[in-house]
Formats: sequence, C-alpha cells, structure tokens
Amino acid sequence: AQKVTQAQTEISVVEKEDVTLDCVYETRDTTYYLFWYKQPPSGELVFLIRRNSFDEQNEISGRYSWNFQKSTSSFNFTITASQVVDSAVYFCALSDPNTGNQFYFGTGTSLTVIP
Amino acid sequence: GAVVSQHPSWVICKSGTSVKIECRSLDFQATTMFWYRQFPKQSLMLMATSNEGSKATYEQGVEKDKFLINHASLTLSTLTVTSAHPEDSSFYICSARDDRGTFYEQYFGPGTRLTVT
Repeated sequence: AQKVTQAQTEISVVEKEDVTLDCVYETRDTTYYLFWYKQPPSGELVFLIRRNSFDEQNEISGRYSWNFQKSTSSFNFTITASQVVDSAVYFCALSDPNTGNQFYFGTGTSLTVIP
Repeated sequence: GAVVSQHPSWVICKSGTSVKIECRSLDFQATTMFWYRQFPKQSLMLMATSNEGSKATYEQGVEKDKFLINHASLTLSTLTVTSAHPEDSSFYICSARDDRGTFYEQYFGPGTRLTVT
C-alpha cells in the first residue's frame, strides 16, 4: 500500500535560517511520482515540484531545493534563507499511475518563519 | 497553465439543507476528477473519484447517499452534500486529471470552505 509520512508536524525557524522538511514514502510500484505542495492560510494548494521515480536528480529552484533518494525512500525539501512568506503548511504526496494517479498525501508540516 | 475552479469558494448553510459545490476544468478536459476533504490542521483525505459518464467511486467510510457526485461533462463535476450537519463543515478540494499526454497531470481547485450551522 502507498503511504507518505511527514514526521515533522510543526517547525518554527527564525527568518533567514535554512529549514528541511522531511518526507518518507512507501510504495511497491516502480513507477510513481512525488510532489510537494504549499498550502498557505487561504487554503489553495500551490504546486512546487513533481518528480518521477526514475529521475533521482536533485533539483534547485531559487531558494527551494529537493533531495530525492530512492535508497531511503525519501524526498526532502529544503528552504534556504527562509522568509516570513514561506510560512504555510507543506504537503508531500505520492501519485500512483496504477491507481489512476490517485494522490496519497502526507499529514503535512506546518512551517512558521519568525521575523 | 491548466486551471481548475471551484464554486462557491465558501458557503454557510443551515443544518438539514443541501449544498452543491462545482468543480470545473477551465482549459482542458477531465474524464476523471477527485474530491478531497480537509479538516482543520489535517491532511487531505480522498473522498471519491468522479468519472464522466459513470458512477463515482467512493472511498471506504464515505457515505454515497450523503455526498452525491455527478460528473455530467468532461469539464464539470459537482459534489452535493445532502442534509448537511455541523460535522460536515470542512474544506472541500477537487482536482481534475488532464486527459492529454501520458502522465495525466492533475490540477487542484482552490477549495470550498463549508460551514454548517
């Protein structure tokens, strides 16, 4: 069965600090997709990244970077030099093409960046 | 980019009444749409998978007669909460799966906040 675990429920950091949000997933499938979404207080999910299971290259986008390691089934997300606007709930999710691309969401990590 | 809209964005209704929430894919066709429910400070939980032209598939524990789903066209799915009760108050999010391409990219709507008084 598919499962996504975000062990960190809440994180607080001071502005300009770096922060890493952990995500561990479980799946028996060899083809799958991993995602990160940001959910600000407004509630709308903001897409951050999609990664397929065959692409283990790390990715950097501005202050955001992602570390995908199949060996440990992890897909961690790092925010460098955090800003107050980064305060939100972040969800990691797994999508399985074998079940119609149904999404399996983690429980989310609430990030608070303190000015 | 692909856009999914939801209407209304928020709604307050009285206990015992029904409320309909619409999910539309604005610039692509979506044979399949998904409905999620999110309680405060919790994750998104899949309620049902909506397929155009056929019956929705509900997740275990979701009452079919209470949460009526109609996927009438390739761009519209509706969720009707019947005989709403305060415990149905939640944030409802839909997503639409783009029929184009091989990956079937999925896009999320902005959500509908339902409050039942």
